[in-house]
Amino acid sequence: EAQVTQNPRYLITVTGKKLTVTCSQNMNHEYMSWYRQDPGLGLRQIYYSMNVEVTDKGDVPEGYKVSRKEKRNFPLILESPSPNQTSLYFCASSLLVAGALFSYNEQFFGPGTRLTVL
Amino acid sequence: RKEVEQDPGPFNVPEGATVAFNCTYSNSASQSFFWYRQDCRKEPKLLMSVYSSGNEDGRFTAQLNRASQYISLLIRDSKLSDSATYLCVVYNNDMRFGAGTRLTVKP
Repeated sequence: EAQVTQNPRYLITVTGKKLTVTCSQNMNHEYMSWYRQDPGLGLRQIYYSMNVEVTDKGDVPEGYKVSRKEKRNFPLILESPSPNQTSLYFCASSLLVAGALFSYNEQFFGPGTRLTVL
Repeated sequence: RKEVEQDPGPFNVPEGATVAFNCTYSNSASQSFFWYRQDCRKEPKLLMSVYSSGNEDGRFTAQLNRASQYISLLIRDSKLSDSATYLCVVYNNDMRFGAGTRLTVKP
């Protein structure tokens, strides 16, 4: 089954304790992205990756890191989480066409990770 | 001003009703447009793309007005299963999401 998986699905942690949220897709997609979703703000992009070893900042990258060592995996790292990073996080993947995010390609989302930082 | 704006709702309608959602976007260079559906506590999923000439998929009709920078989604003969949040998405080198419009269809 084609899918994007995220782990953990739920996480409660404390300020300053480093954590990693994993994301994996089995569709051989080049493009992967992380979003956070907060009430009234919609989905905001944190980081994205066009291919292995190619990552770039989205709209709200502060406090986050990513890596793309393999095509299928795109982990999100919070080195020192703070309460304002409490949110619902989604990983997504999509095909690229001719090296660009093809405008009509669907983005496939993971099931989400609900993070609470105390 | 947000790049993509939607009426947050909620819209509460009876089964069988017709309901319309509106969305405006600020970047006139935007290239592509979509509606995604998000069920409570679930991930967004593509509902339909929006084409310049307007397009229909069963009970769903999407319209685009580039001059007014406005997108709409019309749902006819609403079903209980249509209850969800509908996200307007605009593409211009990257995807920009509206905050969503919540719809509840009641028996």
